[in-house]
Amino acid sequence: AQSVTQLDSHVSVSEGTPVLLRCNYSSSYSPSLFWYVQHPNKGLQLLLKYTSAATLVKGINGFEAEFKKSETSFHLTKPSAHMSDAAEYFCVVSESTPTSGTYKYIFGTGTRLKVLA
Amino acid sequence: EAGVAQSPRYKIIEKRQSVAFWCNPISGHATLYWYQQILGQGPKLLIQFQNNGVVDDSQLPKDRFSAERLKGVDSTLKIQPAKLEDSAVYLCASSATNYGYTFGSGTRLTVV
Repeated sequence: AQSVTQLDSHVSVSEGTPVLLRCNYSSSYSPSLFWYVQHPNKGLQLLLKYTSAATLVKGINGFEAEFKKSETSFHLTKPSAHMSDAAEYFCVVSESTPTSGTYKYIFGTGTRLKVLA
Repeated sequence: EAGVAQSPRYKIIEKRQSVAFWCNPISGHATLYWYQQILGQGPKLLIQFQNNGVVDDSQLPKDRFSAERLKGVDSTLKIQPAKLEDSAVYLCASSATNYGYTFGSGTRLTVV
C-alpha cells in the first residue's frame, strides 16, 4: 500500500519569506503525487500534480514541488509567502486498483501554514 | 461543466439519529468516492464506486454506515445510528479514466 507522511503538522513563516512544506511518500513504483490546499471552511483546491513527467512541477499561486525519487520526497515550496497562503496543505498519493482499472487518493495528515505579518 | 453537487451543506443531529447525504457527480464520471474529514485530519476514504459497483469499502464502518450508487450516477451515504465521533465533513468526489479528482464542497455533520 502506498502512503504519504507530512513531516510537520504546523509551519509558521513571516510574510515575504520562503515556504517549505515537507512530504515523504512510500510507493513500490513511480507514484502520482499531488498537493492540495484547503482554506478555512472551504473546499479542497488542487495546487499541483506530478505524474512522471518533469520532476519540478509548477502549480498555482507561485507554488512548486520537486519529485526526488532518491529521497522519496515531494516537498512544496514558495519563494515568498503571502498572508493569503495561510491554510491547510495536504500531500496526496494516488494508488491504483489494477483489478478495476481505477485509482484512489490517499491523503497525508496535513500541514497548517501560518503566515505572520 | 457543472461540478460535483452535494447536499445538504450542513446538518446537525442528535446522537443515535440517522442521517443521509447525497452526491451528484460530474456527468460521465464512472468513479465516485466518499471521504470523511474529521477536524484537523486529512480526508479518509470511506467507499469507492466504479459505476454502480463497490471497488473499495475497507474503511467503511459497516455496522452504522451504508452507501449506494443506483444506476451508476447519484450516490447516497447514510449513517444509522450516528455517534458523536461521526462529526466531520463528508466529501464526495468523482473522476474519469485519467488522473484527476473533482471534489464537491462537502457536507458538514455535527452530532450532538
